[in-house]
Amino acid sequence: EAQVTQNPRYLITVTGKKLTVTCSQNMNHEYMSWYRQDPGLGLRQIYYSMNVEVTDKGDVPEGYKVSRKEKRNFPLILESPSPNQTSLYFCASSFLGAKLFFGSGTQLSVL
Amino acid sequence: KNQVEQSPQSLIILEGKNCTLQCNYTVSPFSNLRWYKQDTGRGPVSLTIMTFSENTKSNGRYTATLDADTKQSSLHITASQLSDSASYICVVSASGAQKLVFGQGTRLTINP
Repeated sequence: EAQVTQNPRYLITVTGKKLTVTCSQNMNHEYMSWYRQDPGLGLRQIYYSMNVEVTDKGDVPEGYKVSRKEKRNFPLILESPSPNQTSLYFCASSFLGAKLFFGSGTQLSVL
Repeated sequence: KNQVEQSPQSLIILEGKNCTLQCNYTVSPFSNLRWYKQDTGRGPVSLTIMTFSENTKSNGRYTATLDADTKQSSLHITASQLSDSASYICVVSASGAQKLVFGQGTRLTINP
């Protein structure tokens, strides 16, 4: 089944403790991206990647890192999480210029 | 500044009624415009993608229109069903870039 898989689905952590949210797609998509969604603000793009080893900042990249070493994986790294990074996170992938396929989301709480 | 504005912010209608959601954008140069449906707590799902040359595109009871001259799009839902209750998000892509510009969405509630 074609899908974008994010893990974990829920995550509670404490300020400053490094964490990684994984994202994997099985559709051979070139494009992958990360978003955060906060009440009243809609989806905001954090980082995106147009292919392996090619990444670029979105609208809200501060406090986040990404890597694209393989085509199928695009992990989101929070080196030192802070409470303002508490949010619902989505990973998505697509062929270039085509519709996005989104993962099921990761609800992150930073205490 | 690239922006996508959606209206209304929220809408409540009775089951079986039609409704139209609006999207205005200032993204340039324009590549395509997308509508997504997002159920609460879940990832958005694509409804339509429209390029510059397309005026209308349908997906079942959903019909999207695009006026590239006025930079406006609408999503019309016919004979609404309870399962149409969701947020509808308009997204615009600029040419040569995959940095998408998202609208804040319209929250649609269908009441029985």
